[in-house]
Amino acid sequence: KNEVEQSPQNLTAQEGEFITINCSYSVGISALHWLQQHPGGGIVSLFMLSSGKKKHGRLIATINIQEKHSSLHITASHPRDSAVYICAAPYSGGGADGLTFGKGTHLIIQP
Amino acid sequence: GAVVSQHPSWVICKSGTSVKIECRSLDFQATTMFWYRQFPKQSLMLMATSNEGSKATYEQGVEKDKFLINHASLTLSTLTVTSAHPEDSSFYICSAPGTSRVSYEQYFGPGTRLTVT
Repeated sequence: KNEVEQSPQNLTAQEGEFITINCSYSVGISALHWLQQHPGGGIVSLFMLSSGKKKHGRLIATINIQEKHSSLHITASHPRDSAVYICAAPYSGGGADGLTFGKGTHLIIQP
Repeated sequence: GAVVSQHPSWVICKSGTSVKIECRSLDFQATTMFWYRQFPKQSLMLMATSNEGSKATYEQGVEKDKFLINHASLTLSTLTVTSAHPEDSSFYICSAPGTSRVSYEQYFGPGTRLTVT
């Protein structure tokens, strides 16, 4: 089973700050997922990446397959970015697997 | 994009009763669906893999006789919590992989919050 570690668990920052959330996993994977969960519980898929870097608006995700490490960055952070950010990897590494999740990073952006 | 729905979005039931949660892929077919559970302040945990036309595969520690999974069609999987107890109160969420063998996308339902009194 893939073990997924995330850091930090909690992060409070001021509006406009550059945010970095880190994720490491133990088993080589086909793809890593970054998810966002709001207080109501709903999950939004932000990124699914298997190599390099992806950008969507102010969000950037990078992955280093050799080091089994990924980062999620938020530029020019805004209070509406406040949420729990979760990285997830395939349970056994394969693309058709269910996912195993990190504990999540609870991000609060203060105005 | 692909959409996965869940019904109900929340349910309150009495201890000892059974509750059925539906997970539907609305605009694509899903031969596989995944069921996850999230207790308060904890991370999501994979409960089982639902396979269309065959038995579900349960993760270690998940009672298959308590959490009945039926994947009756290519767009519907159901999770029935039988003889529910307060400790089954949790957030249940399903996901389905995309149809592309290359992209490995996962599409999540909005979740069902179960409270057992």
